[in-house]
Amino acid sequence: KQEVTQIPAALSVPEGENLVLNCSFTDSAIYNLQWFRQDPGKGLTSLLLIQSSQREQTSGRLNASLDKSSGRSTLYIAASQPGDSATYLCAPKEGTASKLTFGTGTRLQVTL
Amino acid sequence: DAGVIQSPRHEVTEMGQEVTLRCKPISGHNSLFWYRQTMMRGLELLIYFNNNVPIDDSGMPEDRFSAKMPNASFSTLKIQPSEPRDSAVYFCASSLRRGNEKLFFGSGTQLSVL
Repeated sequence: KQEVTQIPAALSVPEGENLVLNCSFTDSAIYNLQWFRQDPGKGLTSLLLIQSSQREQTSGRLNASLDKSSGRSTLYIAASQPGDSATYLCAPKEGTASKLTFGTGTRLQVTL
Repeated sequence: DAGVIQSPRHEVTEMGQEVTLRCKPISGHNSLFWYRQTMMRGLELLIYFNNNVPIDDSGMPEDRFSAKMPNASFSTLKIQPSEPRDSAVYFCASSLRRGNEKLFFGSGTQLSVL
């Protein structure tokens, strides 16, 4: 059974800092991995999808990396802003099955 | 596109009552997922459908839970009878079943069973 761990569980940084969120998963036979953002009281929004054959995926100030063999992914946020405050979840997709397994998330707060 | 639409947004009910949650996936998507989110357990997959057919319902906690997808544009999750431990946020999500497609979530139904 896939288990997904995210470290740290919570993070507070001042505006403008670059930061890295970590995700590790136990079963490396994944098809792809998504990073999501969840704002309080809202659903999840997919930020980046990185395929198992890729090493990196970028969107604006966000960069996700994937090291499938070691079961790790990171989400790098450059020049953080207060609007980035949210919970970030990673979710690897198992093989050819459709389902994703979610981590418990990292709650990020970017302060002024 | 309006995105994944869930109703109701909030539901408060008493223990023992039947609860029905509704979901309209994004038009053209052929995979639909029901998730439950709690502080203790995080996001748990309850069941998912491909082309309206249930594929994996191993996450459905008990026989009190049932889900249907009568057509490509509508799904329900029913709890009968409801219990206080069912209190959670229930999310519906949809995607295209082509492998590397993003998952789109609805805003969720906040369920409180008293």
